Amino acid sequence: SQTIHQWPATLVQPVGSPLSLECTVEGTSNPNLYWYRQAAGRGLQLLFYSVGIGQISSEVPQNLSASRPQDRQFILSSKKLLLSDSGFYLCAWSVKGAGAANYGYTFGSGTRLTVV
Amino acid sequence: DQQVKQNSPSLSVQEGRISILNCDYTNSMFDYFLWYKKYPAEGPTFLISISSIKDKNEDGRFTVFLNKSAKHLSLHIVPSQPGDSAVYFCAASVPSNTGKLIFGQGTTLQVKP
Repeated sequence: SQTIHQWPATLVQPVGSPLSLECTVEGTSNPNLYWYRQAAGRGLQLLFYSVGIGQISSEVPQNLSASRPQDRQFILSSKKLLLSDSGFYLCAWSVKGAGAANYGYTFGSGTRLTVV
Repeated sequence: DQQVKQNSPSLSVQEGRISILNCDYTNSMFDYFLWYKKYPAEGPTFLISISSIKDKNEDGRFTVFLNKSAKHLSLHIVPSQPGDSAVYFCAASVPSNTGKLIFGQGTTLQVKP
């Protein structure tokens, strides 16, 4: 069965510090991968998506970047965190083509990031 | 621009009654619509979906209705249970190989015992 792992679960970082959040998927190959953020009182905003290794698309201009060094690994990074980067970050994966027709995404358990 | 909107941030219903969550969209090219349920500090989980060529899909206590002319969909939960208390997100799929989903802002449902 497919599983998605996301860590850490919570993170408190000072302003100006770097960030690295990691997400890995097991039990599938060549998935589409996504990073979403849920800011306080707001919906789920798509930050990045990837359809393959090294292929990253950014949805909104921001202080973050993403990388996909391996087929089932997706990393969200920042060189210098801002207060506005606080939020709940979610990684997700989907099957190419049929995802939305069946289950859409499978989400990880999320990382609560607080920038202080 | 907000292509998928959930205009009610919260909803409170009594246990056993019907819960109706609403969602509006602007892009007529969306091919699937999905509902997700989210508990605090957890990732959303898939609840139910509907193809744009259908007008109703039912799964147990959950039914999703799609009105394409009004660009509106709704999720009905009957009967509502306290365990249904969560944030519900409406999402729409863009037909492409990216699998992108556009989410609404979410509606917090509280089911009172």
